[in-house]
Amino acid sequence: AQKVTQAQTEISVVEKEDVTLDCVYETRDTTYYLFWYKQPPSGELVFLIRRNSFDEQNEISGRYSWNFQKSTSSFNFTITASQVVDSAVYFCARSGGSQGNLIFGKGTKLSVKP
Amino acid sequence: KAGVTQTPRYLIKTRGQQVTLSCSPISGHRSVSWYQQTPGQGLQFLFEYFSETQRNKGNFPGRFSGRQFSNSRSEMNVSTLELGDSALYLCASSLEASGRRRGLTDTQYFGPGTRLTVL
Repeated sequence: AQKVTQAQTEISVVEKEDVTLDCVYETRDTTYYLFWYKQPPSGELVFLIRRNSFDEQNEISGRYSWNFQKSTSSFNFTITASQVVDSAVYFCARSGGSQGNLIFGKGTKLSVKP
Repeated sequence: KAGVTQTPRYLIKTRGQQVTLSCSPISGHRSVSWYQQTPGQGLQFLFEYFSETQRNKGNFPGRFSGRQFSNSRSEMNVSTLELGDSALYLCASSLEASGRRRGLTDTQYFGPGTRLTVL
């Protein structure tokens, strides 16, 4: 199966530390989207970013940045100067499942301690 | 614009019962997908509806079904509940139907989920 792997199950950092969440994906498609979602304790999956496979430019949005490298099939997510409110489970996903669905990784639980 | 809403938020049922969950997509979105989330299996795709038609279905038994209404609202039904059906059921809406362009699933916006507990 073409899967999405988030090798880090849980990460714990102290506030103001930088943290990088890893994501490696498999796909046979030449065009695809990659996504990151955040799931706080409330349960709702919050959309953070979508990247097109054509576009390997890194993206920065405030304290968040994403590094997409097609050569290594990775789409890593960095939070700079983490805050307690960043505590959540983060999911990486790619488009193009066999039923047209999104394929999600297992998630990385980030705990940011004050 | 209001986000995706799901009702009810919490539900407790017993084995053998059936349950209906409801999802209202973002205004203007015509595609609704359902996912089951459990600690062991993670997020698994159930089905997708677009224009009142089921377009895709995941690998779940026939006890799981759904439908979509003309206003794009969707319901999913689980009959003959089993203990293993305890999960968070997430609904997601998107503008386009999946599969229109190979490999490119439109961005899905998720609701808060319905947490189903089967006793």
